[in-house]
Amino acid sequence: GAGVSQTPSNKVTEKGKYVELRCDPISGHTALYWYRQSLGQGPEFLIYFQGTGAADDSGLPNDRFFAVRPEGSVSTLKIQRTERGDSAVYLCASSSTGTGGETQYFGPGTRLLVL
Amino acid sequence: AQSVTQLGSHVSVSEGALVLLRCNYSSSVPPYLFWYVQYPNQGLQLLLKYTTGATLVKGINGFEAEFKKSETSFHLTKPSAHMSDAAEYFCAVSGNAGNMLTFGGGTRLMVKP
Repeated sequence: GAGVSQTPSNKVTEKGKYVELRCDPISGHTALYWYRQSLGQGPEFLIYFQGTGAADDSGLPNDRFFAVRPEGSVSTLKIQRTERGDSAVYLCASSSTGTGGETQYFGPGTRLLVL
Repeated sequence: AQSVTQLGSHVSVSEGALVLLRCNYSSSVPPYLFWYVQYPNQGLQLLLKYTTGATLVKGINGFEAEFKKSETSFHLTKPSAHMSDAAEYFCAVSGNAGNMLTFGGGTRLMVKP
């Protein structure tokens, strides 16, 4: 079956612009996660959705970052007033229920470059 | 709070040699432990995980890892490296509600012919 998909695969923007990154999880998965991977580092947790609600957004770095999942499937990560330090690969993952120890399935990521 | 330390950001082995990638974790709750592999320009793929039960866990592509609570370790091994094993490997821990993963910094495995 289809895995996690993310669009766009690459995004180049200018400092100060607004960007939206999309994640399509595996069908039926209620848990959805966003991570950010900077060059040469491991992924860092940003936000976790259980259904339509953000169950944990403690990883969002500041109020320029926001994410939604209005119908409990597709999620959009929104970044306002982008800064060069936002350049990274943004990874989305989903799992069946969000229970501890469940496997998270990752998408290929969106590579964001802020000029 | 949880954390993961992967000792050695780069590991180089010869084809056919033993692969050993080290992972130590810190967790205030019983941990769930994962190893993911990332090939160039691809997403993360699960190699194996420990949840409960047997502490020696076997995964895909001949990899295995052993959970050692007393040493807070979850090292990844493979008896004989193949060229196709060259990739970035990430150890991760979860245990908090919601199963969010905390990753180590990664180890890049290089396999020499």
